[in-house]
Amino acid sequence: AQSVTQPDIHITVSEGASLELRCNYSYGATPYLFWYVQSPGQGLQLLLKYFSGDTLVQGIKGFEAEFKRSQSSFNLRKPSVHWSDAAEYFCAVAAGGYNKLIFGAGTRLAVHP
Amino acid sequence: SQTIHQWPATLVQPVGSPLSLECTVEGTSNPNLYWYRQAAGRGLQLLFYSVGIGQISSEVPQNLSASRPQDRQFILSSKKLLLSDSGFYLCAWSVGGGGETQYFGPGTRLLVL
Repeated sequence: AQSVTQPDIHITVSEGASLELRCNYSYGATPYLFWYVQSPGQGLQLLLKYFSGDTLVQGIKGFEAEFKRSQSSFNLRKPSVHWSDAAEYFCAVAAGGYNKLIFGAGTRLAVHP
Repeated sequence: SQTIHQWPATLVQPVGSPLSLECTVEGTSNPNLYWYRQAAGRGLQLLFYSVGIGQISSEVPQNLSASRPQDRQFILSSKKLLLSDSGFYLCAWSVGGGGETQYFGPGTRLLVL
């Protein structure tokens, strides 16, 4: 069965430090992968997505993610975190038809000044 | 440009009362529509999706139902709310079926007391 695992429930980093959020997926075919961000009490905003081609994907707000088929991973990175990046981050895989998404449980990011 | 609306933003309802949450999309035609629920501290679970007027698919058995009376309107309902129905409900839309991006509304926070 398709699934998405985000191993880290909470992560705290200092402002200006680098960030990597982990995501592992289970899906039989070539996956369509997404990272979304959710600010408290808000909807989800797409950060970036991977469909095919270049395995390093650039997104908004300075984020990037790398698709590694051999590791079934799609980790999100940012070289220098800003206080405004504090939010919850969700990894998702499109499974089956009609763009149905399976989400991970999310990683809550806190940023210390 | 496309926009998605949800209302109400917040709702407090007693156990056993009915529920109706509405989602509308502007700026696109024949979208796929989705209802997700996000329980406190958990990821998103797909409840229903619709690929056209009157076409509803349920992903999980539950106390809720969905309807799509118009092309860009998606309604989530219940005849009698349970405590376990509390959560954050998100509506989303997409077009196409090839892993296209889903765009999310601002959400409705439901508290059942």
